[in-house]
Amino acid sequence: AQKITQTQPGMFVQEKEAVTLDCTYDTSDPSYGLFWYKQPSSGEMIFLIYQGSYDQQNATEGRYSLNFQKARKSANLVISASQLGDSAMYFCAMREAGTASKLTFGTGTRLQVTL
Amino acid sequence: DAGVIQSPRHEVTEMGQEVTLRCKPISGHNSLFWYRQTMMRGLELLIYFNNNVPIDDSGMPEDRFSAKMPNASFSTLKIQPSEPRDSAVYFCASSYRGRRETQYFGPGTRLLVL
Repeated sequence: AQKITQTQPGMFVQEKEAVTLDCTYDTSDPSYGLFWYKQPSSGEMIFLIYQGSYDQQNATEGRYSLNFQKARKSANLVISASQLGDSAMYFCAMREAGTASKLTFGTGTRLQVTL
Repeated sequence: DAGVIQSPRHEVTEMGQEVTLRCKPISGHNSLFWYRQTMMRGLELLIYFNNNVPIDDSGMPEDRFSAKMPNASFSTLKIQPSEPRDSAVYFCASSYRGRRETQYFGPGTRLLVL
């Protein structure tokens, strides 16, 4: 079974609109962390946001927020007021306490922001 | 603040040659990771170190790959001999082992083996 599932290979959003990128995860470990990374066409991997399994509130970082629904095992990334520079691949990743420091990545969602 | 530094940024080599990729982690970080990214397989963890000690090398594809971390500020990933199927982007990442342990990635080395 996939540990991290990103079901949207590609998404389009108009500039200034909000967009949600889906991520579901599978773990039996009660302690885990969820991460989102952005990979623009230039290739670097940029950390965006983190959510811990015991965090009471959804994480927010500027225009990025994480819609964390623990019971559904989903950790969707919400980007508000999309900008052209948001066009990139977005990866969801999970670290389980039982696997020490290892991150498991999803296959990514390619977001294209249009005028 | 300096992020993770990788060199070279691009490498083109011929099959059979030795390739050495280098990484300088963020100062103060105590974990270091080597990843490989290809279109077919996505991001794969090759090996990671904690306090300069290799913890998990189960992702290293075969004996042609080796990695070292002689000190807290330097790591190498070596491929000898290289093969065309090793062509990929190789990322180094570092983190501080703690509650969040966010991994910060270097810019990557784009390797092409002809």
